[in-house]
Amino acid sequence: ILNVEQSPQSLHVQEGDSTNFTCSFPSSNFYALHWYRWETAKSPEALFVMTLNGDEKKKGRISATLNTKEGYSYLYIKGSQPEDSATYLCAFNSGYSTLTFGKGTMLLVSP
Amino acid sequence: DAGVTQSPTHLIKTRGQHVTLRCSPISGHKSVSWYQQVLGQGPQFIFQYYEKEERGRGNFPDRFSARQFPNYSSELNVNALLLGDSALYLCASSPGTRTSNTGELFFGEGSRLTVL
Repeated sequence: ILNVEQSPQSLHVQEGDSTNFTCSFPSSNFYALHWYRWETAKSPEALFVMTLNGDEKKKGRISATLNTKEGYSYLYIKGSQPEDSATYLCAFNSGYSTLTFGKGTMLLVSP
Repeated sequence: DAGVTQSPTHLIKTRGQHVTLRCSPISGHKSVSWYQQVLGQGPQFIFQYYEKEERGRGNFPDRFSARQFPNYSSELNVNALLLGDSALYLCASSPGTRTSNTGELFFGEGSRLTVL
């Protein structure tokens, strides 16, 4: 059974704060690591798909890094805004037909 | 372009009943996957279909079944509903089985099932 862990479980920050979350995953049979952003009552939206050790990806104020050898990925949000409030999910992909998701980190950004 | 569409959005059933959930993938996508998300947990894989064939099955009882139609739409069926089946059921589509070269799944907004 694959184990994907995310921390923290939830986070409450003020507008303008920078924040980061952690995703840990198995270091064997690695194919890709996915980050999704999920707003309430909407569909999960892909942020990044990361495949190579040392990968760094950036989309606006959000960036992510990947360490496949030690089995972790960090997601960073610089200067959080209220519209960043969402649940951030990571998912491990071993190259077959399924994604194994963590429980997510729920972010609330207050004005 | 239309994204992944699911129906119904919400439904309430009683224990022992049967439910059918429907999903239409993004045009051109041939693979459909189903995930169950229980409150406080991440989405858990149920099934994947590609070209009308089952290509993966998660750790769910035989009460859960699915199928994919020639137009690539899909149905998830759950028989003999239990209280524990109450969850958000997410459908996701992708171009092919190996979650495509980008590995990205495109999700619908889900069907919220409540079992009383």
